[in-house]
Amino acid sequence: GAVVSQHPSRVICKSGTSVKIECRSLDFQATTMFWYRQFPKQSLMLMATSNEGSKATYEQGVEKDKFLINHASLTLSTLTVTSAHPEDSSFYICSASRPGHGYTFGSGTRLTVV
Amino acid sequence: AQSVTQLGSHVSVSEGALVLLRCNYSSSVPPYLFWYVQYPNQGLQLLLKYTSAATLVKGINGFEAEFKKSETSFHLTKPSAHMSDAAEYFCAVSLFGNEKLTFGTGTRLTIIP
Repeated sequence: GAVVSQHPSRVICKSGTSVKIECRSLDFQATTMFWYRQFPKQSLMLMATSNEGSKATYEQGVEKDKFLINHASLTLSTLTVTSAHPEDSSFYICSASRPGHGYTFGSGTRLTVV
Repeated sequence: AQSVTQLGSHVSVSEGALVLLRCNYSSSVPPYLFWYVQYPNQGLQLLLKYTSAATLVKGINGFEAEFKKSETSFHLTKPSAHMSDAAEYFCAVSLFGNEKLTFGTGTRLTIIP
């Protein structure tokens, strides 16, 4: 079946630094990738949608300059949290999709900013 | 715009009892509906999905859901709960099956031994 690899699974960084999270579709080409943020005991909130080779579409209220999304190939999308602050601490999950095949989720990244 | 509402943020059932998790949807067009399960600190695993074919959808781990247009519902059931079913369950909707997913608020299922 379709597999999406997300790395790292956990990361701790200092306030003010940047963190990059990778999302790879291992055995299929993902035309679209989605990035979600999940606060403890809450649902997933869509942050942005990205299509290969084009700029990401951010949801309302998401700072595009803080959460940089790159979808350089059909198998790789990255989310960079720039100048991270403690309030950015969260669980980030990516999802990859292709027409007719639904969605496949990564295993998530727990970001802690200290 | 489409949305889903999950009734009951917490559901507890005894091991071996029926599991029923409720989801109601709102959509201006025929929706694609999904149920996902999430274990702590993990991503989401697809249980089942409705894509306008059969209204009774069978998924993994003994789960099934029935699409009822008249009730705008897509409730998730399992005849006999197992301890391993304890997790967070999310109902979700999308327009065409590969557009963005909109999630419900989730239901935490606890299994009582």
